[in-house]
Amino acid sequence: EVQLVESGGGLVKPGGSLRLSCAASGFSFGQAWMSWVRQAPGKGLEWIGRVKSKDYGATIDYAAPVKGRFTISRDDSENRFYLQMNSLQTEDTAMYYCTTDLGNHEDYSDYWGQGTLVTVSS
Amino acid sequence: DIQMTQSPSTLSASVGDRVTITCRASLNISLWLAWYQQKPGKAPKLLIYKASTLKSGVPSRFSGSGSGTECTLTISSLQADDFATYYCQQYNSNIGVTFGPGTKVDVK
Repeated sequence: EVQLVESGGGLVKPGGSLRLSCAASGFSFGQAWMSWVRQAPGKGLEWIGRVKSKDYGATIDYAAPVKGRFTISRDDSENRFYLQMNSLQTEDTAMYYCTTDLGNHEDYSDYWGQGTLVTVSS
Repeated sequence: DIQMTQSPSTLSASVGDRVTITCRASLNISLWLAWYQQKPGKAPKLLIYKASTLKSGVPSRFSGSGSGTECTLTISSLQADDFATYYCQQYNSNIGVTFGPGTKVDVK
């Protein structure tokens, strides 16, 4: 069974940092492209970024609003996927979802975790 | 930057209705389009990718069509379980992966 379990969310002050983690199981993690997608309260979905699998150069792309502040990484030995968020702003308040293409090597999200909530507030 | 729009933003329908949602892109996205369903408090679920390919296990009443700058999601006979919000997503990362604003399907 495919499982994606996010952790690390919480309350942080503006300007602060947070590191989200996604534990993956039930599929060939090393072959999969992994993405982060967020959803502000009551709003739509926003793609944050993606890391490709090593056989595709582990290429990372980011959305413009987070480029330079957020860093995506992966640990294939631990089947874990990370999002380091720095210089957080109130507009970064959202549910953050870890998603995977399940090895299809495409940028759509075949499977989603249940999300972890990040609240940026003073 | 590519812009994605969906119409309508809200759709009121009854069980058994045929429902169509349109997604438009400001640039040609070929077939790089996916559709997702999201229910309140839940993570989205993939329904369709490559504009018209149904994900395994998704009911056949869902279908997708189109290419280029306009795609559609059709539910042939709306079921009670289908009341939800639907999002399109273009996933040609050469032009940035982008979601549409969503279409809420609610009870008429």
